[in-house]
Amino acid sequence: AQKVTQAQTEISVVEKEDVTLDCVYETRDTTYYLFWYKQPPSGELVFLIRRNSFDEQNEISGRYSWNFQKSTSSFNFTITASQVVDSAVYFCALIRGSTLGRLYFGRGTQLTVWP
Amino acid sequence: DGGITQSPKYLFRKEGQNVTLSCEQNLNHDAMYWYRQDPGQGLRLIYYSQIVNDFQKGDIAEGYSVSREKKESFPLTVTSAQKNPTAFYLCASSPGTDSYEQYFGPGTRLTVT
Repeated sequence: AQKVTQAQTEISVVEKEDVTLDCVYETRDTTYYLFWYKQPPSGELVFLIRRNSFDEQNEISGRYSWNFQKSTSSFNFTITASQVVDSAVYFCALIRGSTLGRLYFGRGTQLTVWP
Repeated sequence: DGGITQSPKYLFRKEGQNVTLSCEQNLNHDAMYWYRQDPGQGLRLIYYSQIVNDFQKGDIAEGYSVSREKKESFPLTVTSAQKNPTAFYLCASSPGTDSYEQYFGPGTRLTVT
């Protein structure tokens, strides 16, 4: 069973638009960790954020913000005022407390930002 | 400059040949991982190692082998038994195998014909 679902396969926006990437996860563990990674065309995955299951505070980092809601098992990622350099594949991932070290990835969302 | 290196960036092999992908890290991380990525897919775990001289199978270990003789090195061998070896291979490391984020190398794109 898929543990991390990213329903949006591809998203296209025009520069300066806001865009939200959805992530829904599944786990019975009470302790777990959620991640977002960015994969630019070069291929290397870049770590963006980690969130612990016991910390539901939203986080903002520059134009990036993350909305973690345990009630809906979602960990959505918003880019404000998107830029062409934001074009990449974005992956949501999960580490379950019962299988520490095992990172389960969603299938990714390809974001294209047009000038 | 701390980081993870993978070489080569592109690798071509004939079917039936074994091939070894290199992964080196100078981050002093205990744990290392190998993932495979296919087009339109997320990453799938092949093998991981929490400590030197120890490693565990991931979700798709068949046709692959690894070794962890040194803390900084975790080479992956794609054997001729791997039925569909053409893919993008990513190596990662983390300080430990608990909640820590994993840091990735630039990847090796393997093409087998």
